[in-house]
Amino acid sequence: DGGITQSPKYLFRKEGQNVTLSCEQNLNHDAMYWYRQDPGQGLRLIYYSQIVNDFQKGDIAEGYSVSREKKESFPLTVTSAQKNPTAFYLCATGGGYTFGSGTRLTVV
Amino acid sequence: AQSVSQHNHHVILSEAASLELGCNYSYGGTVNLFWYVQYPGQHLQLLLKYFSGDPLVKGIKGFEAEFIKSKFSFNLRKPSVQWSDTAEYFCAVNAGNNRKLIWGLGTSLAVNP
Repeated sequence: DGGITQSPKYLFRKEGQNVTLSCEQNLNHDAMYWYRQDPGQGLRLIYYSQIVNDFQKGDIAEGYSVSREKKESFPLTVTSAQKNPTAFYLCATGGGYTFGSGTRLTVV
Repeated sequence: AQSVSQHNHHVILSEAASLELGCNYSYGGTVNLFWYVQYPGQHLQLLLKYFSGDPLVKGIKGFEAEFIKSKFSFNLRKPSVQWSDTAEYFCAVNAGNNRKLIWGLGTSLAVNP
């Protein structure tokens, strides 16, 4: 069935480690987005891509990186430069937005 | 800068009470407006959206919202809430040619049985 899939659902990161969150969609949408959700702060845009091989920084891009080599895929890497990575990460597609089920990242 | 304001951060209601959650935005041009819901432990789901036409929009699960352009508002309403409506509700706005959504901080709704 059509939709957007994020994996893994839970991810644990050690200090100084890079981790990559997966986001795959089969909705044939050009636009894809990564958000970070923290309690009491709503959703904050990390990166977005409106077309393959192109992406732009959102409001809180520092410490994150992305790639958009395929239309279906928009992986997010949380680098060691991100000082407070523990959060819930949401991927979305399209202008009207379909969201994935999210990845909860915890630093251990 | 564009912004979205949700006035109620936490709302507690009893079942069968009526609900109205406020949402105001700051942008003078054409907007697309959205309400999303996030049930406990679940992902965000679209409740309803307004792009054009009838300013009274009906969504899923008995929710509706009214776009009042003169007030820059898009308030969410439900005549009679249920315990299962306990969730976090987010208002979002897409303004101009920018595909990015501007989000409110969310309203946490708790419905007591």
